[in-house]
Amino acid sequence: DQQVKQNSPSLSVQEGRISILNCDYTNSMFDYFLWYKKYPAEGPTFLISISSIKDKNEDGRFTVFLNKSAKHLSLHIVPSQPGDSAVYFCSRSYGQNFVFGPGTRLSVLP
Amino acid sequence: KAGVTQTPRYLIKTRGQQVTLSCSPISGHRSVSWYQQTPGQGLQFLFEYFSETQRNKGNFPGRFSGRQFSNSRSEMNVSTLELGDSALYLCASGDPGSGELFFGEGSRLTVL
Repeated sequence: DQQVKQNSPSLSVQEGRISILNCDYTNSMFDYFLWYKKYPAEGPTFLISISSIKDKNEDGRFTVFLNKSAKHLSLHIVPSQPGDSAVYFCSRSYGQNFVFGPGTRLSVLP
Repeated sequence: KAGVTQTPRYLIKTRGQQVTLSCSPISGHRSVSWYQQTPGQGLQFLFEYFSETQRNKGNFPGRFSGRQFSNSRSEMNVSTLELGDSALYLCASGDPGSGELFFGEGSRLTVL
């Protein structure tokens, strides 16, 4: 049962343009959704989160939108930079229970 | 503040052997969770420990086990290794204040 889905395994975007990474979920019980970024040979690092009571959270170039009626969230990166090239994981947290999606590999082309 | 430390970083085993991986969480974090990452499968949750008690367990066979010590350090053990156990094993400690997970760099296990 894939509780957190990231249907695009990969995404390529030109430098300076917007990157939009999508995440769908099935279980409506959550405290936060979190996005993690992972470079090769490193552990994932926290990027941005959104709580269940919000529909938008912004941090610099990164904005996460939450649509609870559609059970969908998206991460926007504007403008995209080559250093953003990584695998992005969407994660649902409820208590100390975290469920991760399969990840989307973002490639930002110079 | 030191991050999450995992040892060993790399190891090679053969089928049928067992392996023990170690994780030291960030000081003050009492929750430690373990994940398996394989290509295309994302991060699959193994188990989570809090104050030496397993609170949550993922959908893995009994060959995968873990424990947590009183200093919050954790170990996971995989017995009777199979080729499919080759993966990156990630440990994370949880910050109860923010709800964030902080990951170590992982232990890459190769089973031949």
